[in-house]
Amino acid sequence: GAGVSQSPRYKVAKRGQDVALRCDPISGHVSLFWYQQALGQGPEFLTYFQNEAQLDKSGLPSDRFFAERPEGSVSTLKIQRTQQEDSAVYLCASSLPSGGVPDTQYFGPGTRLTVL
Amino acid sequence: GDSVTQMEGPVTLSEEAFLTINCTYTATGYPSLFWYVQYPGEGLQLLLKATKADDKGSNKGFEATYRKETTSFHLEKGSVQVSDSAVYFCALSDRSGGFKTIFGAGTRLFVKA
Repeated sequence: GAGVSQSPRYKVAKRGQDVALRCDPISGHVSLFWYQQALGQGPEFLTYFQNEAQLDKSGLPSDRFFAERPEGSVSTLKIQRTQQEDSAVYLCASSLPSGGVPDTQYFGPGTRLTVL
Repeated sequence: GDSVTQMEGPVTLSEEAFLTINCTYTATGYPSLFWYVQYPGEGLQLLLKATKADDKGSNKGFEATYRKETTSFHLEKGSVQVSDSAVYFCALSDRSGGFKTIFGAGTRLFVKA
């Protein structure tokens, strides 16, 4: 059983470039989450999908950030016109449906984005 | 909004010492509480969890009890090993918050042989 995978593992972008980060959740996991982890900090919530529906995007820091999960499986986080403050590790997590109780989230290894 | 506060690190202990990492939370609903661990060079992984008041989560010799009256979920281990060196994150997830997980800032633990 494969875990959550993310690609690329490392990304260096020049300020102003667009980037796309991919997440492959565990097969059968309905819920998918994106988090941003700055150096020395805990992960901070960005957005949440249940199947293909984006139910919460309250954590996206600006309209430069966009996430999608068109077929309810793989998800892509896109950052347009990257800025230096976007440098962070971007984590993806997935979980099973849990009958209304918050369940364990399984995390991928993350994508470390560095904006020069 | 919901929040998690945990003790600042780093915490440095000798092998076989007793470990406590304090964690308190603020939540409007009835959250589930978690401890996640991040070993050097690895991703976040669940260490233990508790879903309701007075529940005790335990794993690998670590324990934490969900204390609603003190809004706390302190992590303890009776005898730490060098291999326990990692960053520990306290977290909560609340249905009223849409199941997103709110993390503390993390506590780095160093265990010396």
